[in-house]
Amino acid sequence: DAKTTQPNSMESNEEEPVHLPCNHSTISGTDYIHWYRQLPSQGPEYVIHGLTSNVNNRMASLAIAEDRKSSTLILHRATLRDAAVYYCIHDSNYQLIWGAGTKLIIKP
Amino acid sequence: NAGVTQTPKFQVLKTGQSMTLQCAQDMNHEYMSWYRQDPGMGLRLIHYSVGAGITDQGEVPNGYNVSRSTTEDFPLRLLSAAPSQTSVYFCASSNTRLAAYEQYFGPGTRLTVT
Repeated sequence: DAKTTQPNSMESNEEEPVHLPCNHSTISGTDYIHWYRQLPSQGPEYVIHGLTSNVNNRMASLAIAEDRKSSTLILHRATLRDAAVYYCIHDSNYQLIWGAGTKLIIKP
Repeated sequence: NAGVTQTPKFQVLKTGQSMTLQCAQDMNHEYMSWYRQDPGMGLRLIHYSVGAGITDQGEVPNGYNVSRSTTEDFPLRLLSAAPSQTSVYFCASSNTRLAAYEQYFGPGTRLTVT
């Protein structure tokens, strides 16, 4: 089974960068790494995904280790609106297998 | 665009009752899926569809049926509700035919089975 390991929770100060780690040691060569986040009482929201090289979009950056067994989601300047549960997922036969995620707490 | 819509927002059922959760999307997405989320847990895939007329089982399909007669709609049917099906149900869609990438999620249906 596709399995990722993330910290249960992390805290960060507002307006500072946040680095959210994820281990995915069982990933195969063609599995993408996906990140979603879920704000309280809402459906999940797509953040970013990548395969091998680092990826950037308007929301975040994704840094993927050379051996692809870990990755880091980078929020460049956290705001209170970024407080959410962040899920790191890699797909298995084109299906997303979700873990419990990391609860990100932003301190004003 | 309304995106992904789900009805109802809340539902209470008695054990043994059946019902259909509705999901619709107006983005012409081929891939649609249903997940359930139990308290403090991540999402678990119930069923998915890669296009009209094509459905397949996910991780936890037992007790649920789906059909996909149009691109827009993907209803989830609970055949005989059980307390173990108390959960929040999310529908999602993606414009990638074969893969669950960049999924857009609906607001969810909170279901309680007594």
